Amino acid sequence: DGGITQSPKYLFRKEGQNVTLSCEQNLNHDAMYWYRQDPGQGLRLIYYSQIVNDFQKGDIAEGYSVSREKKESFPLTVTSAQKNPTAFYLCASTRRGGGGYTFGSGTRLTVV
Amino acid sequence: GENVEQHPSTLSVQEGDSAVIKCTYSDSASNYFPWYKQELGKGPQLIIDIRSNVGEKKDQRIAVTLNKTAKHFSLHITETQPEDSAVYFCAASEKGSTLGRLYFGRGTQLTVWP
Repeated sequence: DGGITQSPKYLFRKEGQNVTLSCEQNLNHDAMYWYRQDPGQGLRLIYYSQIVNDFQKGDIAEGYSVSREKKESFPLTVTSAQKNPTAFYLCASTRRGGGGYTFGSGTRLTVV
Repeated sequence: GENVEQHPSTLSVQEGDSAVIKCTYSDSASNYFPWYKQELGKGPQLIIDIRSNVGEKKDQRIAVTLNKTAKHFSLHITETQPEDSAVYFCAASEKGSTLGRLYFGRGTQLTVWP
């Protein structure tokens, strides 16, 4: 079955450490997105990529970095520069021509 | 960019009653309006969507209406059931983009009481 997979489901990080969240899709979708979700804040866009080797900042990109070396993969690195990284992170993808996103099941990151 | 407002932020209904969630958008060029349901601890799931050339779309107990002139769209759930309890998000597309960045509302927590 086609889908989008995020791993790990839960992640704990010590302050000052970088951590990378994985997102892989086998839907042959062209565009991929990373969102951050905090209670009562809805979905806020971090980064997105519409084509391999190209990506754009979203609304809250500071303290995050991404890469898009393969169409199927869009990993997100939460750097030590991110002041408040504890959140639920969602990855999504969509095909050319528009239409709705397919979301992954999310990664809950906790800084300890 | 696009601005999407969603109301109410919380909604409680009795099982069997109807629920309505409303959204407004700012960019008249937006042409795609999906609705997502998010259960606790999971990713959002697309439940219904509508394009700007259609005024209404229905799928069993769920319907969406779109008023382009007023720039608002609504989700209607009839005969609600406890399993409808979730957070619902509306969204509007980015103009002119076939890869459609979506702009999301802040969500509505729907609770259906048995």
